[in-house]
Amino acid sequence: EVQMVETGGDLVQPGGSLRLSCEASGFTFSSYAMGWVRQALGKGLEWVSAISGSGDGTYYADSVKGRFTISRDNSKNTVYLQMNSLRAEDTAIYYCAKEERAAGILHHDYWGQGTLVTVSS
Amino acid sequence: DIQLTQSPSSLSASVGDRVTITCRASQSITNYLNWYQQKPGKAPKLLIYAASGLQSGVPSRFSGSGSGTDFTLTISGLQPEDFATYSCQQSYGTWTFGQGTKVEIK
Repeated sequence: EVQMVETGGDLVQPGGSLRLSCEASGFTFSSYAMGWVRQALGKGLEWVSAISGSGDGTYYADSVKGRFTISRDNSKNTVYLQMNSLRAEDTAIYYCAKEERAAGILHHDYWGQGTLVTVSS
Repeated sequence: DIQLTQSPSSLSASVGDRVTITCRASQSITNYLNWYQQKPGKAPKLLIYAASGLQSGVPSRFSGSGSGTDFTLTISGLQPEDFATYSCQQSYGTWTFGQGTKVEIK
């Protein structure tokens, strides 16, 4: 059974830092790209970042570029999101999601339960 | 970035109804369009990939269609467990999502 468990969400002051982790199981982790998607309370979904299976390729939304860093440790089946210079608008539930390609089209076939990040003084 | 606009933003329907949700892209995305269901306090769940591909385990009352800029998610015979928010997502360019459509009980 595929599972992803996110941890690391917390209350942090503006300008602060936080590292999220997502531990995956039930599939060959290194074979799949992984991503982070966030959702502010009562709002829609927003893609944040993605990383290739090998870790060589990383991608970011413009809203977090230069502040967030995605990485992975395939020996631990874990993907990370280092978040620096946090702003109030980064407050959201952060979901880890597995990428899959079917019929040539990328999608997110499995999601974690999410971890809450609150940026407030 | 490619913008996705869903309509309606919300709708009220009864069990057994046929429900249609539309997603329009700001440019052609061929069939790079996916649909997700999300219930309160839960993670999104993939329903449809590549505009019309039914994800394994998803009931056949869910179907997707469209290509280019206009896409549709149809629920044929709404069930009590289908009351949720539905979002489209494109993977043609940098991933973006529609704003969501909330399906409520009439």
